Amino acid sequence: AQSVTQLGSHVSVSEGALVLLRCNYSSSVPPYLFWYVQYPNQGLQLLLKYTSAATLVKGINGFEAEFKKSETSFHLTKPSAHMSDAAEYFCAVSDQAAGNKLTFGGGTRVLVKP
Amino acid sequence: DAGVIQSPRHEVTEMGQEVTLRCKPISGHDYLFWYRQTMMRGLELLIYFNNNVPIDDSGMPEDRFSAKMPNASFSTLKIQPSEPRDSAVYFCASSLPYNSPLHFGNGTRLTVT
Repeated sequence: AQSVTQLGSHVSVSEGALVLLRCNYSSSVPPYLFWYVQYPNQGLQLLLKYTSAATLVKGINGFEAEFKKSETSFHLTKPSAHMSDAAEYFCAVSDQAAGNKLTFGGGTRVLVKP
Repeated sequence: DAGVIQSPRHEVTEMGQEVTLRCKPISGHDYLFWYRQTMMRGLELLIYFNNNVPIDDSGMPEDRFSAKMPNASFSTLKIQPSEPRDSAVYFCASSLPYNSPLHFGNGTRLTVT
């Protein structure tokens, strides 16, 4: 069975500072990993996905994530936070056995301070 | 591409009433998912379809919930009778096969009083 753990339900960063959101996964087979962002009163939007082509994945809005198999991690980073990055971020996992079925983490809400 | 379309955006109903949520997936997508989001439980997968056939409904909370997909362009999630604990945001998502990303609608916020 797959599972995802996001450390920290809330993160507060200053504008211009590094954003680091942590995600650890559990999967018995090579995983597919995703980060989604949710703005208020909207659905989830894909930020980036890992499908084994490269361990460092670049996404939209300046975000990137690094897959580390030894640590079963897929942390999301952005070098310099912008006010528009305030949102909730979800890490998700699927695998070939699960088809397209995604298991989501609990989410991390990001607050950006001016 | 109009994206995944859900209706209504908001639904307020009284306990015991029937509620029907609707979803139009992106044309050409083989998979359709229904998720529920609450503060307490986060995002939960309720059911998903592949080519209009239900594949996994293990997340459906109880018999009061049912979902159908009569054709490739329409799905419904019905709650009958509704209860206050069903209050949540319900999302529909669709995708192509082979672990493609999900595309979410804007959700239906359900309030049962």
